[in-house]
Amino acid sequence: EPEVTQTPSHQVTQMGQEVILRCVPISNHLYFYWYRQILGQKVEFLVSFYNNEISEKSEIFDDQFSVERPDGSNFTLKIRSTKLEDSAMYFCASINGGVNTGELFFGEGSRLTVL
Amino acid sequence: AQKVTQAQTEISVVEKEDVTLDCVYETRDTTYYLFWYKQPPSGELVFLIRRNSFDEQNEISGRYSWNFQKSTSSFNFTITASQVVDSAVYFCALSEADNQFYFGTGTSLTVIP
Repeated sequence: EPEVTQTPSHQVTQMGQEVILRCVPISNHLYFYWYRQILGQKVEFLVSFYNNEISEKSEIFDDQFSVERPDGSNFTLKIRSTKLEDSAMYFCASINGGVNTGELFFGEGSRLTVL
Repeated sequence: AQKVTQAQTEISVVEKEDVTLDCVYETRDTTYYLFWYKQPPSGELVFLIRRNSFDEQNEISGRYSWNFQKSTSSFNFTITASQVVDSAVYFCALSEADNQFYFGTGTSLTVIP
């Protein structure tokens, strides 16, 4: 069964450091997403990406965040200078696109801990 | 305004009891999709069901069943004969035509042995 894979599964970093979270979406999918879930809270939308550009982003997705699809398979989320409040589980997701017809496939998440 | 409302924050039931998790959504689109995801303590999001707006037939999958009612904008999820392994946070979600997904705040279900 196709799956979205994310690395690392857990990263611990110092405040102010840059972090890159990596995702490999399902190969024939066209829309990619990052979501964030602070511990015990709801799943929050960060950004969606289609056709090599951001299609939507939330208020959370400020200048400290960026996304990239550097090589046609990986989809990365970069946080330039991490803050304590960036500690959360980050989920990558993808969907095959077109008119919304499918399931949003989630990766298993990357837990980020900022100290 | 919340597009997806899960009014029940936490529910506890005793094993073998039935439990219904409520989900109410809001959309102006005529074409949309509704989802339920399970998040066990390990943290991953597990897809349970997708239902499109044109299909109001209720669905049953083993001990799980879903009741979609457009008239009340609800998509409720029932677990029959609950088990300890059902303990998790359950998220209802809405997807509209622009491929944006909106999650409810989740219902934390604890099944007590």
